[in-house]
Amino acid sequence: DAGVIQSPRHEVTEMGQEVTLRCKPISGHDYLFWYRQTMMRGLELLIYFNNNVPIDDSGMPEDRFSAKMPNASFSTLKIQPSEPRDSAVYFCASKGEVNTEAFFGQGTRLTVV
Amino acid sequence: EDQVTQSPEALRLQEGESSSLNCSYTVSGLRGLFWYRQDPGKGPEFLFTLYSAGEEKEKERLKATLTKKESFLHITAPKPEDSATYLCAVQTSNSGYALNFGKGTSLLVTP
Repeated sequence: DAGVIQSPRHEVTEMGQEVTLRCKPISGHDYLFWYRQTMMRGLELLIYFNNNVPIDDSGMPEDRFSAKMPNASFSTLKIQPSEPRDSAVYFCASKGEVNTEAFFGQGTRLTVV
Repeated sequence: EDQVTQSPEALRLQEGESSSLNCSYTVSGLRGLFWYRQDPGKGPEFLFTLYSAGEEKEKERLKATLTKKESFLHITAPKPEDSATYLCAVQTSNSGYALNFGKGTSLLVTP
């Protein structure tokens, strides 16, 4: 398996623009997580899904952020409108029912100018 | 609220100089404590899961231990390729299947 695949790897956008980050989890995994990493706050959970259903979105900063999982092999994290403070590395991770550990993608480095 | 604190923030070792990284936690209902390694520009890579106090796990030069309040990652005779950021995370009754991460320890091993 190719692991968790995220795209794009890097994104530079202007303040106010819409940004969409994409994630393909490992095939057969039932759980999908979105995390954000910054120097100040470290790795923080934004939202996670089980069987395509959002379970905990308490980490989503505000209404500008939304996440969807239309099927078992794809998820998106959208920021609209983007702000400079959204600049961070966004990670997607997945895990199966059998595995206890989550497997992370390579991340998307987002810069909002 | 669950809290995870890692120390030191940064550690510099000579090759072969053994040391330990600390992860202290205050949580409700620990389900598991996880150690990950993160290289620059990459996602975290899983190392160990510990479930109960007294448990130990080893992998090459790394050994993880767990007590009721903290976990240690012991690094024996480190090599330069062990240089990375080491992240500790907890899974609790509050977090469901999500992980609550500490801020990590940045380890540099010099030849």
